[in-house]
Amino acid sequence: EVQLVESGGGLLQPGGSLRLSCAASGFNFSNSWMSWVRQAPGKGLEWVANIKQDGIEIYYVDSVKGRFIISRDNAKKSLYLQMNSLRAEDTAVYYCARDVVSAMDSWGQGTLVTVSS
Amino acid sequence: EIVLTQSPATLSLSPGGRATLSCRASRSVSSYLAWYQQKPGQAPRLLIYDASNRATGVPARFSGSGSGTDFTLTISSLEPEDFAVYYCQQRGDWPGTFGPGTKVNIK
Repeated sequence: EVQLVESGGGLLQPGGSLRLSCAASGFNFSNSWMSWVRQAPGKGLEWVANIKQDGIEIYYVDSVKGRFIISRDNAKKSLYLQMNSLRAEDTAVYYCARDVVSAMDSWGQGTLVTVSS
Repeated sequence: EIVLTQSPATLSLSPGGRATLSCRASRSVSSYLAWYQQKPGQAPRLLIYDASNRATGVPARFSGSGSGTDFTLTISSLEPEDFAVYYCQQRGDWPGTFGPGTKVNIK
């Protein structure tokens, strides 16, 4: 069974930094594209970033470029999102998801990031 | 960036009813469209990929159709567990934008 478990969320002030983690199990992590998707409270879904199996091909949505860094450790079966210069509008539940090109077929339960002074 | 529009925003139906949800793209995405279901407090769940292919374990009452810019998700006979928010997502261009969602309410 595919399992994705996010951690690292919390409350922090604008301008702060946070690193999210996603622990994967039940599938061949090193063969999978992976994504981060976020959802602001009461709002819709926004694809934040994704990363190819080799960790070299990476894409970001414009709103986080230069501030967020997606990475992975295939040996640890883990996905990460380093978030810097956080803004109030980054407040959201952050989901990691397995990306099978046509869609995201497995999702974690999400971790809440709240940016507020 | 491709913009997705979903209609209606809210759909009020009775169990056993037929739900027809629409997703329109600002330009062609070929068949690279997925549908997700989300219940309160839960992560999204993949229902349909490549416009018309059901994901593993998805009941046959869910079907998807369309190509280019116009897509439809149909739920043939609503079960109590189907009342949720449904999002479409295009995979034809980066970033893979989501639609704003359609909420299916119990009437």
